[in-house]
Amino acid sequence: SAVISQKPSRDICQRGTSLTIQCQVDSQVTMMFWYRQQPGQSLTLIATANQGSEATYESGFVIDKFPISRPNLTFSTLTVSNMSPEDSSIYLCSVEVTGTGYEQYFGPGTRLTVT
Amino acid sequence: AQSVTQLDSQVPVFEEAPVELRCNYSSSVSVYLFWYVQYPNQGLQLLLKYLSGSTLVKGINGFEAEFNKSQTSFHLRKPSVHISDTAEYFCAVTPSKGAQKLVFGQGTRLTINP
Repeated sequence: SAVISQKPSRDICQRGTSLTIQCQVDSQVTMMFWYRQQPGQSLTLIATANQGSEATYESGFVIDKFPISRPNLTFSTLTVSNMSPEDSSIYLCSVEVTGTGYEQYFGPGTRLTVT
Repeated sequence: AQSVTQLDSQVPVFEEAPVELRCNYSSSVSVYLFWYVQYPNQGLQLLLKYLSGSTLVKGINGFEAEFNKSQTSFHLRKPSVHISDTAEYFCAVTPSKGAQKLVFGQGTRLTINP
């Protein structure tokens, strides 16, 4: 298994600003994922972040809006840039631990409100 | 591409009653299937998964699910629920080969009434 922490746990931001969310894992993992959960909705994959390569973004998400860093095997950041109220969501990171049968472990999420 | 449909957005049941949360999926390739639970203000926790083998899989907290390939379903069941089972439940799939990207259903809110 894996224990994942995220910072901040929640934030209220003004439109037009940017917020960087941190994701820390207690073990080395190859694959990390970032999801968005809009209010009352399901989870949507934003991007996959592998160490040593550029993040792979899903349709509808672009690097300029959601830049991701993956400097090592235990850490990643997601930045939400030039925020608007539509960006108000819970942002979750997850990891896939090799040998666990393809299951992903999720962090507690970052609840973002944009005013 | 894959898609997941959870047929019930909300399911209210009384404590100690049985419950079934329904999940159907669509995929042109073989998939692995998962059920996750999200308690209020928390992240997701894996309940159970189906990769291969027996179609009846048992998970944590007394939950089980049955994979039905012909009906492309993966329904979640519990014979007797507790107040503590109140949560949002998500069904998810990922292709069994290639990029491991989870596709989630819309979620089912399970409410347990005393």
